[in-house]
Amino acid sequence: NAGVTQTPKFRVLKTGQSMTLLCAQDMNHEYMYWYRQDPGMGLRLIHYSVGEGTTAKGEVPDGYNVSRLKKQNFLLGLESAAPSQTSVYFCASSLAREGSYEQYFGPGTRLTVT
Amino acid sequence: DAKTTQPPSMDCAEGRAANLPCNHSTISGNEYVYWYRQIHSQGPQYIIHGLKNNETNEMASLIITEDRKSSTLILPHATLRDTAVYYCIVRPLFNAGKSTFGDGTTLTVKP
Repeated sequence: NAGVTQTPKFRVLKTGQSMTLLCAQDMNHEYMYWYRQDPGMGLRLIHYSVGEGTTAKGEVPDGYNVSRLKKQNFLLGLESAAPSQTSVYFCASSLAREGSYEQYFGPGTRLTVT
Repeated sequence: DAKTTQPPSMDCAEGRAANLPCNHSTISGNEYVYWYRQIHSQGPQYIIHGLKNNETNEMASLIITEDRKSSTLILPHATLRDTAVYYCIVRPLFNAGKSTFGDGTTLTVKP
């Protein structure tokens, strides 16, 4: 049981390049999330999904797109990277039990945009 | 959305109880209090959550005041491995999208 895994672990992009971050979970969780964490700050929600084929915007969605084609995978895309998107990106998943959103987080992807 | 206020940092002696406070004075009736921690730069780890009753699990205890405007996370016997940033967040019952983490409390456990 691997839990939540993220690919890649590190990436350096040039401004304007695109990339996709992959998140996979093997816990059969309905909900999945993408967060970003800037140095010295807490996590901010980018997008989330409450089930296969559905996505919704979080607190800071601009510049990102997501897709949830399979229940176990949640993809985060950057179409045209900007230096302001330099951050650590965390994926999480949770069950959809009423009132209970215990989230399980992946190890993070460290992205630098130059 | 209910906001939370936590002290930026706290120290605790190894083996002693660590009591981490959180203020959530604008919490509404359908919002739970959750606690997570983040060790170094790893992904956050779920600790505990509660609605209005005190809760205990193998990691910690959560004490929520009767008016629900504040709570305290208690690590009964802190170890050096408990040094981390601790986040207190409130989350509505039916809205997974309200998942904002604040800046948390940096707990340093000292030998």
